[in-house]
Amino acid sequence: EAQVTQNPRYLITVTGKKLTVTCSQNMNHEYMSWYRQDPGLGLRQIYYSMNVEVTDKGDVPEGYKVSRKEKRNFPLILESPSPNQTSLYFCASSLTGAAYNEQFFGPGTRLTVL
Amino acid sequence: AQSVTQLDSQVPVFEEAPVELRCNYSSSVSVYLFWYVQYPNQGLQLLLKYLSGSTLVESINGFEAEFNKSQTSFHLRKPSVHISDTAEYFCAVSSGGYNKLIFGAGTRLAVHP
Repeated sequence: EAQVTQNPRYLITVTGKKLTVTCSQNMNHEYMSWYRQDPGLGLRQIYYSMNVEVTDKGDVPEGYKVSRKEKRNFPLILESPSPNQTSLYFCASSLTGAAYNEQFFGPGTRLTVL
Repeated sequence: AQSVTQLDSQVPVFEEAPVELRCNYSSSVSVYLFWYVQYPNQGLQLLLKYLSGSTLVESINGFEAEFNKSQTSFHLRKPSVHISDTAEYFCAVSSGGYNKLIFGAGTRLAVHP
């Protein structure tokens, strides 16, 4: 089944404790992206990757890192999480980075930083 | 800069009634428009999209949206809703050099029996 998977689905952590949220897609997509969803704000892009070893900042990149060493994986790293990073996170992928491509979303990771 | 405004944060409606979820966008260039649906505790799924051609686009489950360039709108409609349509609906726009979606704040549709 074609899908985007994320792990973990739920995570509670404390301020300053490094964490990684994994994202993997099995559709051989070139483009991957991370979004955060906050009430009343919709989804906002954190980082994106046009292909392997090519990443760039989205609208809200502060406090996050990403890497794209393999085509299928795009982990999101929080080096020192803070309470304002409590949010619902979605990974997405599309065939290419062209603006007309449909993005496929993972199930989401709900992060709470205490 | 692009932006998307969804004019209603919540829309309550009775089963089998018609519904319209409103979406306006601002952009100085040609855009691609999307409606995504998020069912409780799930990720987003594409409902329908406008890329070019006919301004009226339809989904497989009875929703339709009309692209209106002069009013910069992409409202979502369904003539008769079901309980199973209860979800949050997001309007999104993309344009330019890469696939960055700009989302509206979302509209929570609650269908009551």
